Order: sequence, then C-alpha cells, then structure tokens
Amino acid sequence: GEQVEQLPSILRVQEGSSASINCSYEDSASNYFPWYKQEPGENPKLIIDIRSNMERKQIQELIVLLDKKAKRFSLHITDTQPGDSAMYFCAASEGYGNEKITFGAGTKLTIKP
Amino acid sequence: NAGVIQTPRHKVTGKGQEATLWCEPISGHSAVFWYRQTIVQGLEFLTYFRNQAPIDDSGMPKERFSAQMPNQSHSTLKIQSTQPQDSAVYLCASSLGVANERLFFGHGTKLSVL
Repeated sequence: GEQVEQLPSILRVQEGSSASINCSYEDSASNYFPWYKQEPGENPKLIIDIRSNMERKQIQELIVLLDKKAKRFSLHITDTQPGDSAMYFCAASEGYGNEKITFGAGTKLTIKP
Repeated sequence: NAGVIQTPRHKVTGKGQEATLWCEPISGHSAVFWYRQTIVQGLEFLTYFRNQAPIDDSGMPKERFSAQMPNQSHSTLKIQSTQPQDSAVYLCASSLGVANERLFFGHGTKLSVL
C-alpha cells in the first residue's frame, strides 16, 4: 500500500516568517493530497488539498506544491501567526475509487513570538 | 449537525479485557474510516466501510481487532484481549463516499490499557 514520509517532525519558526513541510509518497497512482491541521485536544481538520491535475494551489497564507514526477508535495505557510501552532499531517489517497487516505507521521509546528 | 460522534471519550481497560469503541458518522455520509493515533506512529489507517460494506481492512491487526458497521448510523471497533501497546487515540472519520473527498473526524476515543 501507499507510504507517505513527512519531514520535519518538529519545526519552530519565528512569527511572521514562513514554514515549510515536505512530504513524499510511493504510489504513482495516488492522485489526491490533502493536508490536515490538528490543534491540541482537537480532531484533525482539512485545511487545503491538491489534486494530481494541479501543481500549485493557494488559499490565503497556505500554499501547496505538487511535483508528480518526483512524487513530492509540500505545504508552505507564509506570514505565520501564533494560531498556526499545531500538528500538521500530509496525506495521499490511493485513487481508483478507493477512498483510503494514508497519512504522514506529522509535523509539530511551533510559532515563536 | 453534531459532526462525527465517538463514544466513550476515554476508556480504561485492564490487560486482557475487551474494549468496544463506537462511532456515529455524519448523516448522509456513506464512507466510515477508523484510524489509530499515537505520538510515535502518527495517524495509522485501520479500516474503512462504504455503504456499510467493508472495503479495505489492510491496517487492522489480524488477530484481536475487528470492526463492523451494522447500519448506516454507527460503526464499532472491537479489540479483544487488549494489550498495553493498544493504548492510543482511536479516531473515526466519515466522508461523502466519493473518492478523494474530505474526511470529517470525530474527537476520538482515548484507550488506556493498564
């Protein structure tokens, strides 16, 4: 089955700077790549996703890049704020009508004031 | 809409006991997923159902774990002969059931095996 690697596991950045999280996947058939944010004591929530027919997607301060050839995708948070501190999970879907989503191990992002 | 409801929120069992975890998906969602979350492993896929039928159980430990979805309004995850390494947060999620759609997670059941 699909395997998703996520790095770094811990990330600390200064408020106002950018944060980047990188993921790679193995199955070239994967065609959907969501990102989930989990705040302490809360459940994971979808924040942005990208499909394989796109290379870049932006929602406000969130930018996702997808390189299908290299089987890599990344999340970039620009102008980070304290509210961005959380766990972030990248994921990939198997496609072909299989809704199973495989998650990376997570990145704990801390925004330093 | 109350979202995905999981009960209980916390469960403490002794080693060797059975644990049953319950999940009520969002009404109208046809796909239900179970994940296990630990600090070390992150979010591990266990199994999922579509229209109550089991589709993929590739993440389920074969011997002691089982999941069912007897009707469209609830699913259960049963762990027999619980072991300390089963301690984790078990998350249920539902989606519309169309491929590549957003998962809505419950708040999870924190299982502690003493």
